[in-house]
Amino acid sequence: GENVEQHPSTLSVQEGDSAVIKCTYSDSASNYFPWYKQELGKRPQLIIDIRSNVGEKKDQRIAVTLNKTAKHFSLHITETQPEDSAVYFCAALAGYIPTFGRGTSLIVHP
Amino acid sequence: GAVVSQHPSWVICKSGTSVKIECRSLDFQATTMFWYRQFPKQSLMLMATSNEGSKATYEQGVEKDKFLINHASLTLSTLTVTSAHPEDSSFYICSATNAGMAPTDTQYFGPGTRLTVL
Repeated sequence: GENVEQHPSTLSVQEGDSAVIKCTYSDSASNYFPWYKQELGKRPQLIIDIRSNVGEKKDQRIAVTLNKTAKHFSLHITETQPEDSAVYFCAALAGYIPTFGRGTSLIVHP
Repeated sequence: GAVVSQHPSWVICKSGTSVKIECRSLDFQATTMFWYRQFPKQSLMLMATSNEGSKATYEQGVEKDKFLINHASLTLSTLTVTSAHPEDSSFYICSATNAGMAPTDTQYFGPGTRLTVL
């Protein structure tokens, strides 16, 4: 089955800095890679996603890159703000069942 | 669009009792719903996948007789934790996919149910 590794587990940055979270996957058949943001005690919310026919996707301060050859994808957040503080999960899907990474706790210090 | 609700949002029960959690898709028909369990500071662990009108598919290690899942309609799936014990205390989250709206593999999550078993 699919195996998704996510790093780092914790990321602490100063407001205004950039943050990068990286994930690797094992199943070359995976073709959909969503990223979720989860605040404490709340539901995971989809913030951006990318499909295997695209190398990069951007939405304002958030971007995701995908390297199919190396089987890794990354989330980039620029100009971080305190409200970006949350746990971020990556996921990989070959069908309709996702395999989630272990999550990254992002802390943005004002 | 694509709103998923869960009820209750939190529940406290005594050991040995059963608890039912409802997951509803409010503005779309969810042909497939997923049930996850999440321990503090951990990732989402898929428990089972349910399709309307058929038996749920459970992940390895999840007891189907303990975690009963029913997906009787296109907008409702229920998870019943039977004979609950303190180790069942967790955050249970459902999600749904909307077969009628592309992309069909995007999951929409419910707000979760915090279960505490005393």
